[in-house]
Amino acid sequence: NAGVTQTPKFQVLKTGQSMTLQCAQDMNHEYMSWYRQDPGMGLRLIHYSVGAGITDQGEVPNGYNVSRSTTEDFPLRLLSAAPSQTSVYFCASSLTQGGEKLFFGSGTQLSVL
Amino acid sequence: GDSVTQMEGPVTLSEEAFLTINCTYTATGYPSLFWYVQYPGEGLQLLLKATKADDKGSNKGFEATYRKETTSFHLEKGSVQVSDSAVYFCALSEYSSASKIIFGSGTRLSIRP
Repeated sequence: NAGVTQTPKFQVLKTGQSMTLQCAQDMNHEYMSWYRQDPGMGLRLIHYSVGAGITDQGEVPNGYNVSRSTTEDFPLRLLSAAPSQTSVYFCASSLTQGGEKLFFGSGTQLSVL
Repeated sequence: GDSVTQMEGPVTLSEEAFLTINCTYTATGYPSLFWYVQYPGEGLQLLLKATKADDKGSNKGFEATYRKETTSFHLEKGSVQVSDSAVYFCALSEYSSASKIIFGSGTRLSIRP
């Protein structure tokens, strides 16, 4: 049982480059989400999805796009990377939106130069 | 709005010492409260939870009691081990919604052999 799988684990970008962070879960969870973790701050919600074809914005959505074409996958796209997007990114899932137990991936450490 | 405040780290203890990590919260209603733990190189995982006042959550020797009168959910362990070294996050959820979980900033715990 793989759980929540994120790739890549590390990434360095130049300002203005684009990239996609991948997230996949094999638990048939309806709810998936993306967080960023910055020093001295709690995890902040970027985008989330309550099912295939449905996405919504979280607390800090600017500069990020998401889509949910399947139950399993929830990629996060940075269209034009900025140094302010240097952070650790976590994907998390839950059985349903009402579920309060989140299952997290191991994270992607992103540096934007 | 809702918020979670944790004691700042890092916290460094010797093996077998008593651990307390303080957490207080602000909420308008009656939230569920959680402690998540992040071991080095991994994503967060749920450690324990409590859903109503005076409930005690426990797991792996850790305990936390939901104190409505002091709006607190302090994490305790009687005898820590080196393997407990991690970052601990206090969190709340007021609306039984995964997208509304609010995390504290995390407390890094290091245990010396």
